[in-house]
Amino acid sequence: DAGVIQSPRHEVTEMGQEVTLRCKPISGHDYLFWYRQTMMRGLELLIYFNNNVPIDDSGMPEDRFSAKMPNASFSTLKIQPSEPRDSAVYFCASSLELYTEAFFGQGTRLTVV
Amino acid sequence: EDQVTQSPEALRLQEGESSSLNCSYTVSGLRGLFWYRQDPGKGPEFLFTLYSAGEEKEKERLKATLTKKESFLHITAPKPEDSATYLCAVPVIQGAQKLVFGQGTRLTINP
Repeated sequence: DAGVIQSPRHEVTEMGQEVTLRCKPISGHDYLFWYRQTMMRGLELLIYFNNNVPIDDSGMPEDRFSAKMPNASFSTLKIQPSEPRDSAVYFCASSLELYTEAFFGQGTRLTVV
Repeated sequence: EDQVTQSPEALRLQEGESSSLNCSYTVSGLRGLFWYRQDPGKGPEFLFTLYSAGEEKEKERLKATLTKKESFLHITAPKPEDSATYLCAVPVIQGAQKLVFGQGTRLTINP
C-alpha cells in the first residue's frame, strides 16, 4: 500500500476562495482523521470518521469548515470561505482501530493570502 | 481537564550525548500512550505504543517507558539522523473519544 495520500501538497489561495483538500486512506482502515498543525497550537484533531460516518467534529473551528467521506477510499476537507488564519498544514491519517497506530499522510500546506 | 504536556520544547545535543524527553499527562483511565516522530515537511511517523505503567519499548537508539503520570523517551548515543520533533499522544474523552497530541520536543543532534 502506498500509505495515506493527500492532495494537493501545497495550496495558495486568496482570502474568500473555497479550498478543498483531499485524502485517500490506507485500504482496510476503518478510521480516518483530519488534523491541523500550526506553530502556535500544535497538532489539533478537527474531525474523525469511523466506517465513513463522522463521529466527532468538535474540533472543526467554524461552520466554514466541512468534511465528507463519501466512501471508504476518499475524504475531503473543505473551507469556504477561506481566511488567512486558516493557513496551516492539514494532515489526514488513518488507522485500523481508534486506539491503534495512525498512519499520516504528507500533509497539505495551505496558505491563504 | 485531560492534558498532555511535553518537555523540553527544544533540546540540542552533541552526537553521542544521551538524554531523555518527557511527556506528562493527566487523563482518567489511560488507554495507551503513543510516541511519534515528525521530520520537517512530513507527517508524524509512529514509533511506540505503551499501555500500562512499567511497560517499556525499544527501537534502535530509542527506548520509551511509562509510569502512571508520565512517559519518557530515552535516546542513547544519538546520531544526527535522530534529529526530529518527537510527539506524544494520549486518547482522551472530550465528548467523543479522541487522540490528543502534546506540543512536541524539537530535538537537534549536532555532529
